[in-house]
Amino acid sequence: AQKVTQAQTEISVVEKEDVTLDCVYETRDTTYYLFWYKQPPSGELVFLIRRNSFDEQNEISGRYSWNFQKSTSSFNFTITASQVVDSAVYFCALSYDNDMRFGAGTRLTVKP
Amino acid sequence: NAGVTQTPKFQVLKTGQSMTLQCAQDMNHEYMSWYRQDPGMGLRLIHYSVGAGITDQGEVPNGYNVSRSTTEDFPLRLLSAAPSQTSVYFCASSAGGPIRTYNSPLHFGNGTRLTVT
Repeated sequence: AQKVTQAQTEISVVEKEDVTLDCVYETRDTTYYLFWYKQPPSGELVFLIRRNSFDEQNEISGRYSWNFQKSTSSFNFTITASQVVDSAVYFCALSYDNDMRFGAGTRLTVKP
Repeated sequence: NAGVTQTPKFQVLKTGQSMTLQCAQDMNHEYMSWYRQDPGMGLRLIHYSVGAGITDQGEVPNGYNVSRSTTEDFPLRLLSAAPSQTSVYFCASSAGGPIRTYNSPLHFGNGTRLTVT
């Protein structure tokens, strides 16, 4: 069965701390895509990154970085030097066929 | 650039009432879908469509109907509202067509907050 687990329900950090959001997935497919979405307090869902199952290169975009490891079925997301504007719920998702299976989300609060 | 537009933003229904949540996209995307978001459960797929005239069920389809008469519109109908359908509903679209579209990110609307009393 396809499944995404985000074990961290809520994380609270102080501004400028680094924080890592964990994502573990299960799938029998050999070809799949993993995504991260951000949901700020305003409620919209914003696409952050896509990674396919054949590309295990880590990705860095500004203060954001993603670590994809097939050996542990994980796709973790790190925010470096967190800012108050990073406060949001973050969803990891696994895409296969015509479905996208989401994790339960991690609520990140960054305090000034 | 409108993207995905959902209406209404808020709705309160009484048990047993029916209603339609509207969704329209202007990106000429073939794939459209409806999700519901509940606390602690992430987003769950209700129904999806890979093109006009084609719809299929997702993970939690019971109590909902959809149709896709045009590429732009994908309305979600609640047939007889129940308190268990209290949720936030998101419409989404992505590029692609009848072939597997799993490599495309979803573009979401701003959501409809539905309360059923």
